[in-house]
Amino acid sequence: ETGVTQSPTHLIKTRGQQVTLRCSSQSGHNTVSWYQQALGQGPQFIFQYYREEENGRGNFPPRFSGLQFPNYSSELNVNALELDDSALYLCASSGARDSSYNEQFFGPGTRLTVL
Amino acid sequence: EDKVVQSPLSLVVHEGDTVTLNCSYEVTNFRSLLWYKQEKKAPTFLFMLTSSGIEKKSGRLSSILDKKELFSILNITATQTGDSAVYLCAVWASNTGKLIFGQGTTLQVKP
Repeated sequence: ETGVTQSPTHLIKTRGQQVTLRCSSQSGHNTVSWYQQALGQGPQFIFQYYREEENGRGNFPPRFSGLQFPNYSSELNVNALELDDSALYLCASSGARDSSYNEQFFGPGTRLTVL
Repeated sequence: EDKVVQSPLSLVVHEGDTVTLNCSYEVTNFRSLLWYKQEKKAPTFLFMLTSSGIEKKSGRLSSILDKKELFSILNITATQTGDSAVYLCAVWASNTGKLIFGQGTTLQVKP
């Protein structure tokens, strides 16, 4: 059973650029959630995808968008990057749309630095 | 607004000490509370608590939930340097996929 994987590991961008982060969910999992973790803070929920449709969104502006593919892998896109977008971006997968009684398995994250 | 608050924010102890980490929450439609350990990047799952008063235990770690007072504690006995990490508390509110995290407690265990 393969775990959650994310790419790239690290990324450096400049303000105004666009970025795409990728996540492959754990085998058999159809639900993917994305989180932003700023330095010294807990992860903040961005959005969740279930079977290719968005299933809940946190307080993030529309320039944060996502996609889930038929194989349940997912992308997080961020447009018009700002300095405050610098953070660790975590992807988590679970095996149910309603994950509230299930564990979420986290990937190793992508460290994004915006200069 | 839903929120999860952890205390203390940081803690330094010596090997062999016992520590208690606190997590209080205010959320609508509480479903469950989870504890994670984060060492480098990926948070790793420790416990999920759904019922009040039932202790979950794994080795030297244990946790309990009080749904009336809206808090949970994570205990670590006989701490080791390998326990040094950030401990995250998170709460599921409803079924919208929104797992709400606290800011974490940074634990440092000195030899």
